[in-house]
Amino acid sequence: AQRVTQPEKLLSVFKGAPVELKCNYSYSGSPELFWYVQYSRQRLQLLLRHISRESIKGFTADLNKGETSFHLKKPFAQEEDSAMYYCALSGSRDDKIIFGKGTRLHILP
Amino acid sequence: KAGVTQTPRYLIKTRGQQVTLSCSPISGHRSVSWYQQTPGQGLQFLFEYFSETQRNKGNFPGRFSGRQFSNSRSEMNVSTLELGDSALYLCASSLSGLEYNEQFFGPGTRLTVL
Repeated sequence: AQRVTQPEKLLSVFKGAPVELKCNYSYSGSPELFWYVQYSRQRLQLLLRHISRESIKGFTADLNKGETSFHLKKPFAQEEDSAMYYCALSGSRDDKIIFGKGTRLHILP
Repeated sequence: KAGVTQTPRYLIKTRGQQVTLSCSPISGHRSVSWYQQTPGQGLQFLFEYFSETQRNKGNFPGRFSGRQFSNSRSEMNVSTLELGDSALYLCASSLSGLEYNEQFFGPGTRLTVL
C-alpha cells in the first residue's frame, strides 16, 4: 500500500542550526516525491520535487530508494522557515497524490 | 494571472444536510483535485477531475461526489453530512494533471457540521 510517514509532528530548531525533516514512504514502484509547505495564513504550495534535484529557499531533499526516504534538509534555519511541511508521493503521472500528516517546523530565535 | 478560487470560504451545516463546494481553477488549467484536511488525518485525496471526467478517486464513501464543467470549474458535493465531515476542503488545479508538481492550491472552504 502507498504510504507516506512523517514521524515528527513538531520540530523545534534554533535559528542558524541545521534542519532535517524526515519523510519515509512505502510504494511498490518508482514514485515521484514532493515537499509542500504551508506558511501561516497562506496557501499550500509546492516547495520542491525530487526529480528536479533543485534547491529552493536553501532546502534540498534527496531520494534514497534503499531507505525509502526523502528527508528535507537545510544547513542553516531561518525564522521565516517556520511553517507546516508535508511530504507527498505520486505513484505515476496520472495517479493520485498521497500526503504525509505533516511536520510543523518552529524556528526558535 | 488569478489563482485558484474556492467558494464559499466558510460553511456551517447540520447533520443530515448536504453541501456543495465550488472551485474555479487557474485559467487554462484542466485538472482539478479535491482534498480533505483535518487535524487528525491530515491531507487526504478525495478525487481528481480532468476534462469533465473523474480520473482518480480516494478512499471516501459515496456521499462524497464531484463534477467538472466544460470551463474546468469543479464542484464537490457531500450528502447526508456527518460530524466527522467537518474539515477544510482544498482544491488544486494543474495544467494537465500529469505532473503533480504543477498543482496550485486554493484557500480552502472550511466546513463545520453541527
